[in-house]
Amino acid sequence: NAGVTQTPKFQVLKTGQSMTLQCAQDMNHEYMSWYRQDPGMGLRLIHYSVGAGITDQGEVPNGYNVSRSTTEDFPLRLLSAAPSQTSVYFCASSEQGAAGNTIYFGEGSWLTVV
Amino acid sequence: AQSVAQPEDQVNVAEGNPLTVKCTYSVSGNPYLFWYVQYPNRGLQFLLKYITGDNLVKGSYGFEAEFNKSQTSFHLKKPSALVSDSALYFCAVRDRGSQGGKLIFGQGTELSVKP
Repeated sequence: NAGVTQTPKFQVLKTGQSMTLQCAQDMNHEYMSWYRQDPGMGLRLIHYSVGAGITDQGEVPNGYNVSRSTTEDFPLRLLSAAPSQTSVYFCASSEQGAAGNTIYFGEGSWLTVV
Repeated sequence: AQSVAQPEDQVNVAEGNPLTVKCTYSVSGNPYLFWYVQYPNRGLQFLLKYITGDNLVKGSYGFEAEFNKSQTSFHLKKPSALVSDSALYFCAVRDRGSQGGKLIFGQGTELSVKP
């Protein structure tokens, strides 16, 4: 069972570089989202999508871009990396419909910006 | 504003003793409540959730949680802790009007179970 797959697992970037974190799910979930995890702050929502072609901003969207061209994929783009974007990034997905549906997370991507 | 609080950064328990990880929430209306566990360098694993009905919810690995509406709490419990339960635990809330997989997380509680 693949579930939610994120790549890469670890990445070091230089300030100003751009990169894309990949996320794919094989559960045919309509809802996908990206969170960042920072010590003492839990997880905070960056961007989310309720279906292909539809995206919206979460709590901390600045410096990040997303697109949703297919149901399966939801890449997160860092446009010009900054040290403040050093974090652990989690992609998540859930079924459409009831807000009580369980949200499933990927294994995370550890990003360091130097 | 919606929020979730986990008042303890760390909880230390001896193996075999009961454990409690605390969570309180503030949302408008009736919430959906979740607990997740994160092992070192791993993703979040779903433990259990409260949607409606019985206030005592049973989940994975012998964990349970009690929903208390009057105290706006959703504490995670286990009758007998194992060393392998040592991990980072997150409480999260989702209000019934939200869509798109939006969860609001507490800051996390590090559980340490000693032999």
